[in-house]
Amino acid sequence: GESVGLHLPTLSVQEGDNSIINCAYSNSASDYFIWYKQESGKGPQFIIDIRSNMDKRQGQRVTVLLNKTVKHLSLQIAATQPGDSAVYFCAENIGGGGNKLTFGTGTQLKVEL
Amino acid sequence: DGGITQSPKYLFRKEGQNVTLSCEQNLNHDAMYWYRQDPGQGLRLIYYSQIVNDFQKGDIAEGYSVSREKKESFPLTVTSAQKNPTAFYLCASSIQSYSNQPQHFGDGTRLSIL
Repeated sequence: GESVGLHLPTLSVQEGDNSIINCAYSNSASDYFIWYKQESGKGPQFIIDIRSNMDKRQGQRVTVLLNKTVKHLSLQIAATQPGDSAVYFCAENIGGGGNKLTFGTGTQLKVEL
Repeated sequence: DGGITQSPKYLFRKEGQNVTLSCEQNLNHDAMYWYRQDPGQGLRLIYYSQIVNDFQKGDIAEGYSVSREKKESFPLTVTSAQKNPTAFYLCASSIQSYSNQPQHFGDGTRLSIL
């Protein structure tokens, strides 16, 4: 079946640098995407979402980019801080009702001091 | 504070035993969900409920059961038929189930086998 996946399982960045976490999706019917942050032993925390009628959406220090042509989603974190260290998941909703999400396997972001 | 509360945080199951995980939300959300997370993997949907007294199977429902008698509560029972129950279980809720809405998560219950 179709699935959501991530290019890089682990990403290490220096504190203060920008981070880019990538996600590939294969279901062209997906119309809604979410990025979550999960710290060890905790539940996923909502970061930002984007609908398929948009290419870019910005939040506080984060930007999500959606490229429907190549079915690619990315999360950019500006001025990465130690508190950003966590596993980041992308999730997609293929539509059709039910608000069901399909999650990728996650990327571990490590911020080095 | 509004949120989703899962209990207990840690749970141990003996062979042949059924155990029930609690999930309560005070966000007035219509929809609730249960996911299973295994080490190094993403979340997989077990069951979801769009409204009180109604629920549907997710991708890995075998060996699990749920009920939705109240809007605020969506307990998950891990039955003895689930042969590999050791995992991190996450409950989520969303405002509505029929439109694109973010799901908000509790802090999970870690289930282990004795």
